[in-house]
Formats: sequence, structure tokens, C-alpha cells
Amino acid sequence: DGGITQSPKYLFRKEGQNVTLSCEQNLNHDAMYWYRQDPGQGLRLIYYSQIVNDFQKGDIAEGYSVSREKKESFPLTVTSAQKNPTAFYLCATTRNRGFTDTQYFGPGTRLTVL
Amino acid sequence: AQKITQTQPGMFVQEKEAVTLDCTYDTSDQSYGLFWYKQPSSGEMIFLIYQGSYDEQNATEGRYSLNFQKARKSANLVISASQLGDSAMYFCAMRDGGSQGNLIFGKGTKLSVKP
Repeated sequence: DGGITQSPKYLFRKEGQNVTLSCEQNLNHDAMYWYRQDPGQGLRLIYYSQIVNDFQKGDIAEGYSVSREKKESFPLTVTSAQKNPTAFYLCATTRNRGFTDTQYFGPGTRLTVL
Repeated sequence: AQKITQTQPGMFVQEKEAVTLDCTYDTSDQSYGLFWYKQPSSGEMIFLIYQGSYDEQNATEGRYSLNFQKARKSANLVISASQLGDSAMYFCAMRDGGSQGNLIFGKGTKLSVKP
């Protein structure tokens, strides 16, 4: 079954803890992305990766880190440096980065800081 | 700078009627793509329809069509024969050469379909 999976669906974090959100895809897409969505808002880009072992900061990378050791996986770590991490996090992929390429999304992870 | 504007925070439509969701964009590139996504309350972003800047015909996908007016830089989504399941947030997005291949999203329109 092809697609993008994100886990967990819900995540609770205590202040000062790092947490890692998982994103896996079996679409054989080259590019992967992480977005943050706050209530009533659009999506803001955190990090993106075009190929394995390479990634770039998006608009709001501070307090986040990523890795891309495998084509299929692009985990996002929310560090304690992120001051307001409570949000909905969406992972996405595209086959490549041409302007015609459709971006497909996973089901999302809802992170709440206690 | 690239920008997407959705001026309707919320819209209501009667079931079985058509509705138009507005989207205007700003780019200096000649080559760009425009996308519409639906986000139901579950949160997942569902791709609906795509329009390329060089496409001469308006895109259509089932009950969805895109009213593309290049000179006015608008890409409005038209949903025909609205259904209760169409109630959701709708996001317009654009990708061009200047955005390094990244999508730029509008703030969205919340559509509510009334029975």
C-alpha cells in the first residue's frame, strides 16, 4: 500500500524534552518536507530535503532538527529550544522539485506540550 | 516576493449548489504551478487539483474546476453540486522557480455546507 505514514498521531511532551516525529514514505519520492500548522493558520515550512544526506532550513527552522539517512525516512526532532512547539505537524513528499510536481501529505502528528 | 492570498476566511453554501473559493497569487516568474488542497477536520491535506501557468485550458477533476485567469493572477476553485462531505478547510498553494521548489500556502478558507 503506497503512501506516507507519520507516527505517532498524538504526542505529548513535557517542557524541556526533545521529541522525534517519524515520517516514512514508500512512494520512491526524492523530496521530503516538514510543515507546522497552528490553529486557523496555513502551513509554514520547517525543513526540506531533496536527496539523501542533504537538507535545508525552511522559514521556521529554529528549535527543530532533521536527518535524511534513507530515502524513505525524514524524521523531525523538536528540541527544547523550540519555545512554542504545540502545533500540528505535517510531512509531505514530491517526486522531485519541479514546479509541476504535486506535493502529497501524510496524516499528521499533533504535538502538545504539557 | 511570492504570495498567495485567500480573502474569504469562511464560506457557507447550500448542499447541491456550486461555490467559488477565491485565490490570488503574486509571482514574477513565468513558470509556476497552482494547487488546491482540502483539509477535513481529521487534519490530512488532500490534493484536489493542479493548474500550470502554461496550461491553456482550465483544470477540472470531477466536481472540482479551477477558474484560471492569468492576467488577473487569480486561480479560483469551483466546487459544483456541493456535498456535506465538502465541509473543510481549503488551501490554495503555488510553486515557482523563486520558491526553490517549495510550496507557498494561503491562509485557507473554511467551507461549511448546509443541508
